[in-house]
Amino acid sequence: KQEVTQIPAALSVPEGENLVLNCSFTDSAIYNLQWFRQDPGKGLTSLLLIQSSQREQTSGRLNASLDKSSGRSTLYIAASQPGDSATYLCAPGGGADGLTFGKGTHLIIQP
Amino acid sequence: NAGVTQTPKFRILKIGQSMTLQCTQDMNHNYMYWYRQDPGMGLKLIYYSVGAGITDKGEVPNGYNVSRSTTEDFPLRLELAAPSQTSVYFCASTGGGPDTQYFGPGTRLTVL
Repeated sequence: KQEVTQIPAALSVPEGENLVLNCSFTDSAIYNLQWFRQDPGKGLTSLLLIQSSQREQTSGRLNASLDKSSGRSTLYIAASQPGDSATYLCAPGGGADGLTFGKGTHLIIQP
Repeated sequence: NAGVTQTPKFRILKIGQSMTLQCTQDMNHNYMYWYRQDPGMGLKLIYYSVGAGITDKGEVPNGYNVSRSTTEDFPLRLELAAPSQTSVYFCASTGGGPDTQYFGPGTRLTVL
């Protein structure tokens, strides 16, 4: 059974800092890994999708890396802004039976 | 495209009542999923479907039923609601397993 751990569980930093959110998973037999953002009381917004054959994906100030063999992914946020405050969820999977989610990293960016 | 839509947004049930959570997608996706999210926890898969007429259990299927008669709709049925089913329910869809999953806004259910 896939187990997903996200570290840290919570993070509060001043605006402008560069951040690294970590995700580890136990079963490396995945098709892809998605990073999502969840705002309080809202649904999930897909940020980045990394296929199992890829090492990283970039979108604006976000960069996600994947090391499938070691069961690790990182989400790098450059020049953080207060609007980045949210919970970030890591979800490996991509097979027909869906994704497995971590508990998330709750991020607060202080103005 | 509206994407993935869910109704209702909120619902309060009494113990033992039943209800159906509706999910519709307009992206012609074959794969659809139901997840639940308890406070402070990650999402857990309840049921999924790889096409009309095909459904399968996820990690936490007990107390729920699904059907998939069309590509667009994937309703989740709760029979004999219990307090343990208090949660936020998310429906998702994707065009293929390895593709991006798109999520609906969720249904917040409270069972008292």
